[in-house]
Amino acid sequence: EAGVTQSPTHLIKTRGQQVTLRCSPISGHTSVYWYQQALGLGLQFLLWYDEGEERNRGNFPPRFSGRQFPNYSSELNVNALELEDSALYLCASSPMGGGIAEAFFGQGTRLTVV
Amino acid sequence: KQEVTQIPAALSVPEGENLVLNCSFTDSAIYNLQWFRQDPGKGLTSLLLIQSSQREQTSGRLNASLDKSSGRSTLYIAASQPGDSATYLCAVRRNQFYFGTGTSLTVIP
Repeated sequence: EAGVTQSPTHLIKTRGQQVTLRCSPISGHTSVYWYQQALGLGLQFLLWYDEGEERNRGNFPPRFSGRQFPNYSSELNVNALELEDSALYLCASSPMGGGIAEAFFGQGTRLTVV
Repeated sequence: KQEVTQIPAALSVPEGENLVLNCSFTDSAIYNLQWFRQDPGKGLTSLLLIQSSQREQTSGRLNASLDKSSGRSTLYIAASQPGDSATYLCAVRRNQFYFGTGTSLTVIP
């Protein structure tokens, strides 16, 4: 069974540009979480989607947004990139929202803003 | 607001030693606690999941305990190996995950 897949694995963007990161959850999983892990910092919660709806978002500016598609895959969009957006972006999926099931993470997308 | 703390921040042990990693959290209203492993620059690998009603889970050389009332969890690694070298993260979950800052483990051959 395929795990959580994220694309691209690496990308380099220029400050001010926009970027879209993608996440495909494990088959049957309806919840997707996005986290940011900047170098030397802990995992910061960005967004939680379940059954196509945004259920919660972390303390990030509105230029961080996303969506979840009918097949439960998800996109994270970041507009007007800033140098401090350079980080590993991690996506996780679980079978149900917010609850008791085990969650699995992808390998992440390494974003570098120059 | 939920706060998760992991102690120690870093640990270096000789191969074969048994070790304990600690995790504490401030709000006991959780659904579960999950231990993860992260290799440098990589994603998170799930190690063990403990539901809020459980006290303990075991997988191979790993054993995790949970005392929800006191807000503590431990991850016990038996007979450590160099391949165990990684950062270990605990996360408590209620709607979202709240992560600790991790324990960086180095197992010396």
